[in-house]
Amino acid sequence: DVKVTQSSRYLVKRTGEKVFLECVQDMDHENMFWYRQDPGLGLRLIYFSYDVKMKEKGDIPEGYSVSREKKERFSLILESASTNQTSMYLCASSSSRDPRYFGPGTRLTVL
Amino acid sequence: AQSVTQPDIHITVSEGASLELRCNYSYGATPYLFWYVQSPGQGLQLLLKYFSGDTLVQGIKGFEAEFKRSQSSFNLRKPSVHWSDAAEYFCAVGAGGGSQGNLIFGKGTKLSVKP
Repeated sequence: DVKVTQSSRYLVKRTGEKVFLECVQDMDHENMFWYRQDPGLGLRLIYFSYDVKMKEKGDIPEGYSVSREKKERFSLILESASTNQTSMYLCASSSSRDPRYFGPGTRLTVL
Repeated sequence: AQSVTQPDIHITVSEGASLELRCNYSYGATPYLFWYVQSPGQGLQLLLKYFSGDTLVQGIKGFEAEFKRSQSSFNLRKPSVHWSDAAEYFCAVGAGGGSQGNLIFGKGTKLSVKP
């Protein structure tokens, strides 16, 4: 079974803090993704990566950056957290043979 | 424009009753179609996928979906709903089964199950 894990299920941070969300997959997938999910807005793609050290902007990259130093790990970084970044963050991975599999999500609250 | 429409925001069915969740898409190329389920506070779990071939696809948990090209639909069905099926269901369409290509999600249908 594909396993995508995220470092935290719940996270509370203060405005202006630097926030790291970590995602690890164990299926040797080349593609990894970060989404945020908000009521009424559905899932929106923030960034994705199709290889180590490669990244592409999604639909809403502003205020976020990413890092992919190893194939299995994809990090989402909020350089200076703001209250409008309070959301559920979902990581996913895929390959040419596997569709997109999601992690359990991190619910981030920025106070 | 590429889009996915799930016309029903919220559906309530009785336990044991049949279920059909609707999904319509607009996509310029041959679509790859997916249904995901999300329990409260959880991530999305893949229920089933359609890439090609038989237009009736079987998934996990007793779900199936039928691809109808003429109607641009990919409706999800289950013959007998269980209380544990209460969750939110998302239809998605994309290019390439597992590629990094854009995967477009519908806004979701929330399913409630009455005892």
